[in-house]
Amino acid sequence: KAGVTQTPRYLIKTRGQQVTLSCSPISGHRSVSWYQQTPGQGLQFLFEYFSETQRNKGNFPGRFSGRQFSNSRSEMNVSTLELGDSALYLCASSLGLAIGELFFGEGSRLTVL
Amino acid sequence: DAKTTQPPSMDCAEGRAANLPCNHSTISGNEYVYWYRQIHSQGPQYIIHGLKNNETNEMASLIITEDRKSSTLILPHATLRDTAVYYCIVVTQGGSEKLVFGKGTKLTVNP
Repeated sequence: KAGVTQTPRYLIKTRGQQVTLSCSPISGHRSVSWYQQTPGQGLQFLFEYFSETQRNKGNFPGRFSGRQFSNSRSEMNVSTLELGDSALYLCASSLGLAIGELFFGEGSRLTVL
Repeated sequence: DAKTTQPPSMDCAEGRAANLPCNHSTISGNEYVYWYRQIHSQGPQYIIHGLKNNETNEMASLIITEDRKSSTLILPHATLRDTAVYYCIVVTQGGSEKLVFGKGTKLTVNP
């Protein structure tokens, strides 16, 4: 059974650009959540999607957005990138909403110059 | 904010048991305790979870106090590959609250 797949694994952008990250959950999993991880703030919850609807949102500005498709795949977008957006972005899937057993991908490491 | 409190770091000798504590004094009756670990530069990995009773699987044991206000994750025979950050979180299964990870405990297993 394939795990959670995130693409791209690494990317470099400059300030002001926008970026789209992709996440393919484990087959059959309907919930996808996104986390930002930085050395200073640790793992911070961005948002959770279930059945194409955003069910929960963390305390991030509107520049951070996401969506989920009918096949449960999810994307997140960050517009007008800032230096502080440099982080590891982790996607996790689970069978249902707010189920504690999350399966994480390897993450997308974003560097903003 | 995280609902759990963990020591920032711990050390353990290889081959010995590693006992990682977690305080969750405000846990409610329908909240589960989950443990994850994150090895450097990888995504977090689920370890174990429990509600009231002690639990054991191939990776670890989870001991929850009778009042459920704290728990201990036990790695019975720690190896160097167990060096990681360990996160304890509380979750209402199927609830509407987001999952919040705290800072975790950095466990270093020494040879």
